[in-house]
Order: sequence, then structure tokens, then C-alpha cells
Amino acid sequence: GAGVSQSPSNKVTEKGKDVELRCDPISGHTALYWYRQRLGQGLEFLIYFQGNSAPDKSGLPSDRFSAERTGESVSTLTIQRTQQEDSAVYLCASSLGEPQHFGDGTRLSIL
Amino acid sequence: QKEVEQNSGPLSVPEGAIASLNCTYSDRGSQSFFWYRQYSGKSPELIMSIYSNGDKEDGRFTAQLNKASQYVSLLIRDSQPSDSATYLCAVNTLMDSSYKLIFGSGTRLLVRP
Repeated sequence: GAGVSQSPSNKVTEKGKDVELRCDPISGHTALYWYRQRLGQGLEFLIYFQGNSAPDKSGLPSDRFSAERTGESVSTLTIQRTQQEDSAVYLCASSLGEPQHFGDGTRLSIL
Repeated sequence: QKEVEQNSGPLSVPEGAIASLNCTYSDRGSQSFFWYRQYSGKSPELIMSIYSNGDKEDGRFTAQLNKASQYVSLLIRDSQPSDSATYLCAVNTLMDSSYKLIFGSGTRLLVRP
């Protein structure tokens, strides 16, 4: 596709459940980023993948959060045992160098 | 803690006026600076990037960078109601041995018809 694609666009789940969010970057983009944006707040960096290098996980808020990327393609962000404070929009971005281009995000709501 | 600071606003300007959005950053070594526009409920959209001191113009938008004073600004000329959005400043910052794009919390702009 032409842009970064994220799915699902909306996810509502019960507290304690696991969720998996998907990001399909722009073809050819070697870098992929995940951010979290709480309502009315700025973007909070979570994790960064660059090619085949070890990911930069320094922004993951707890061990309930993990992410994987297959080569230079799709990435999944997994949140285990979801808590209400995990409610936010999760944004994925990709780039070839600079700048970053964002997907439309997944709006996650924890009941 | 390396930071990017923006006034949250809202900044309210009448249609046709110049809107001036400001951003300061703490990492003196930063080299890349970006402005993103984010409409409510939508994802950020890149509108300007700037790498060198001075002004960079693109249509109604002008980005200004002053590395000595560590600020970057965005001017929007002939503001339109459709410019009403949150504007995010982002700065490429060296953290934990790698560069990360650090975002400010955004300035909400309201353009009054």
C-alpha cells in the first residue's frame, strides 16, 4: 500500500486480556516505530526497529509490553494482561532515514 | 531528561492572521527538526522539516530554526479555519546511544472564521 497500515483501527477489550496490534510499514522503509498517545497528550516513544539490528526497547513501560518485527515488514505490538491505563491510541510510523510517516493508529479501550 | 517543550494553548487567531507556534528543546546536539499537524482523532501528518539555522518556507508555512537559542518555530500565514489542529514539534535527539524522535505535547491552534 501507499502508506503505513495499522489494524485493528479500534479495539475494545476487558481488563486482563491480551491484545495484539499490527503495523504494516511503507514498502522499503527500514525503520519502524511504535508510539503511545494518551488522550490530550503528546506521543510517547515505545520501541524502534531498524533493519536487522536489535530493537531499541527503551520506551516500553513494563514487561507486559512486547513487540516483534519480521525482517523489514510487518510488526506486532503485544500487550499482556491489559490494564485500564493502557487505554490510548497506539501509533506506528516507518521511515527510510527521515522523516517518519505515521499510520492512522489503533484506538485501544480497556473496560 | 531530554525534552521538547511547547505551549499547550489553545492559540486562537482570526482567519487571515499569522499564527506563530514555538518549540524549545534541551539537546544542543540535535540536528533534525520536524513539525507535524494532527487533526482531532487523526494521526500526525508531517508538514515541515528543517535542518539548518534560518528560515525554510513552503507555501503558507515557514519553519524557523535557531540552534544557538535551541528553539524552532512554525509560522502559518493567512491562517484558515482548516488549519485548526494540534501542531507537534519533534526533535531528533541522541538518547541511550541512538537517535530518537522526541515529540512535544503539542500546541492546539484555533483559527476563528
